[in-house]
Amino acid sequence: GQQLNQSPQSMFIQEGEDVSMNCTSSSIFNTWLWYKQEPGEGPVLLIALYKAGELTSNGRLTAQFGITRKDSFLNISASIPSDVGIYFCAGQSRGSNYKLTFGKGTLLTVNP
Amino acid sequence: NAGVTQTPKFRVLKTGQSMTLLCAQDMNHEYMYWYRQDPGMGLRLIHYSVGEGTTAKGEVPDGYNVSRLKKQNFLLGLESAAPSQTSVYFCASNLLPGALSNQPQHFGDGTRLSIL
Repeated sequence: GQQLNQSPQSMFIQEGEDVSMNCTSSSIFNTWLWYKQEPGEGPVLLIALYKAGELTSNGRLTAQFGITRKDSFLNISASIPSDVGIYFCAGQSRGSNYKLTFGKGTLLTVNP
Repeated sequence: NAGVTQTPKFRVLKTGQSMTLLCAQDMNHEYMYWYRQDPGMGLRLIHYSVGEGTTAKGEVPDGYNVSRLKKQNFLLGLESAAPSQTSVYFCASNLLPGALSNQPQHFGDGTRLSIL
């Protein structure tokens, strides 16, 4: 089956630093999604990418859909303590009946 | 996570017991999904449904059954609970993934299930 490699697994940063995480796949996806999960809650969508090469921002977050359709990255600028959580990438392809394949997550810790 | 409601939020079971997890959505979504989340494993799809009366297997379906008798509800059943099924279970839904009006999956807040 399709697999996503998400890195890094965890990050410890100081408030104000920029963060970058990425996902790579052996398969092509038509959609890339980035979710954030906080303790005791379900994943919440941050950014959705629908076209290869697309670069989309949501406040301090920026994500890009790789041209090869096999990768995506998420950047967070000027991190703040409330950015703490687990960030998941997810890929979706038409051929899989639109099911999502999730990365294993990046745990982000921000030190004030 | 307004729109997708999971019940119960917590449950402890003994090995061999059965139970049903309920997912309800009020967004008129066609597609519904059940995932399990385990440490270091991300979210793995158990079963999903592309519409009322339909179900299909996901990545890890063994030991689970599902039903979608009503469009707004998707039930996940454990026939004979095993310790390996201790996990956090998430339900999600979306409208029509291939449609132009597509909205990505919305998730509930999860059901934390422990099997002793």
